Amino acid sequence: EVQLVESGGGLVQPGGPLKLSCAASGFTFSSHWMQWVRQAPGKGLVWVSYINFDGSNTGYADFVKGRFTISRDNAKNTLYLQMNSLRAEDTAIYYCVRDAGLPGGMDVWGQGTTVTVSS
Amino acid sequence: DMQMTQSPSTLSASVGDRVTITCRASQSISSWLAWYQQKPGKAPKFLIYKASSLESGVPSRFSGSGSGTEFTLTISSLQPDDFATYYCQQYDHYPWTFGQGTKVEIK
Repeated sequence: EVQLVESGGGLVQPGGPLKLSCAASGFTFSSHWMQWVRQAPGKGLVWVSYINFDGSNTGYADFVKGRFTISRDNAKNTLYLQMNSLRAEDTAIYYCVRDAGLPGGMDVWGQGTTVTVSS
Repeated sequence: DMQMTQSPSTLSASVGDRVTITCRASQSISSWLAWYQQKPGKAPKFLIYKASSLESGVPSRFSGSGSGTEFTLTISSLQPDDFATYYCQQYDHYPWTFGQGTKVEIK
């Protein structure tokens, strides 16, 4: 079964760090670009970051650029999101998502992990 | 950034109704558009890619159309399982952007 399982969410103080992980199974992880998408409480979906097959190419939404770092370990079939300098507005469910590749779309979603930034 | 605008924001409909949701892009995205369905407390589900191609396993009552800046998602006969929020998303270029969502409610 194709599956993505996120972990690492929790309560963190403003300005603090948190690292999310996403364990992939049931498919060839290294053959897919991967994405992070978040959803603030009661709000819509917002794209956060992408990473290519081997991690040599990454991209970020402006609101996380310089604070978040996406990475992957293909040997461990795991995607990461290192989040630093967290703000209250980063509070959200973070989804790990598989990029379907051309002709496009995001076809497999994890169940999400909740990040709460509060003092 | 590319703006994606969905209408309506909320739609009240009955089982069996034909439902259409519109998504407009602030500039042309060719056909690089996907649709997702999300139910409360659940992750989104991938429905349609490249504006009109149905993802494997998605019921044929769902269909997508459009190109350029205007797109539609149609549910030909609304079923109880279809009451959810629907999002369009462009992947023509980064940053990828979503519409604000359309909630389909029971009338």
